[in-house]
Amino acid sequence: ETGVTQTPRHLVMGMTNKKSLKCEQHLGHNAMYWYKQSAKKPLELMFVYSLEERVENNSVPSRFSPECPNSSHLFLHLHTLQPEDSALYLCASSDGPDTQYFGPGTRLTVL
Amino acid sequence: GESVGLHLPTLSVQEGDNSIINCAYSNSASDYFIWYKQESGKGPQFIIDIRSNMDKRQGQRVTVLLNKTVKHLSLQIAATQPGDSAVYFCAENSREYGNKLVFGAGTILRVKS
Repeated sequence: ETGVTQTPRHLVMGMTNKKSLKCEQHLGHNAMYWYKQSAKKPLELMFVYSLEERVENNSVPSRFSPECPNSSHLFLHLHTLQPEDSALYLCASSDGPDTQYFGPGTRLTVL
Repeated sequence: GESVGLHLPTLSVQEGDNSIINCAYSNSASDYFIWYKQESGKGPQFIIDIRSNMDKRQGQRVTVLLNKTVKHLSLQIAATQPGDSAVYFCAENSREYGNKLVFGAGTILRVKS
């Protein structure tokens, strides 16, 4: 898990709060991803960044805003979330279209 | 096998037995497949991968079999151990998907001591 790190590991926030999730990869990869994992559902791809350019925005509501300042860091800014947004948010990285390596995730609870 | 919905399929095996976890994929153009293991409270962990020009690949205690004719993927775990208890996901990729992996819903493996 040290290849891809995520902070915080747990987050509880109200619907009016603004918070950010952080992901850092130490693998020298050129692509980074945000996924949402809800209970007993397949992983849902949210965003893909390749060479720091956003190449995928999978119909994600605007209350989720990604940021990729460089190839090693990825953020997910959260604003006015809904209770149904409570989930495990996973970050991953890859070297091109190859195996993706995941971080441990941030367990988000929206009250 | 894989299913989508509220109930993940569960495979219960006795410690020391072999486990076989199955996955049916949807895209005949998929050319790259991966198995991941996810333990409680952790992110998915890469186990093994296989490309479509192969039908079998072996790792340490794990073997992946690919049957392109029926679009079926399986993961075999030899001498299953309690530490193998987790949710297992298959994922497929193709040039059509670009950098996107498409994941199955997962199978729960429970190892009984």
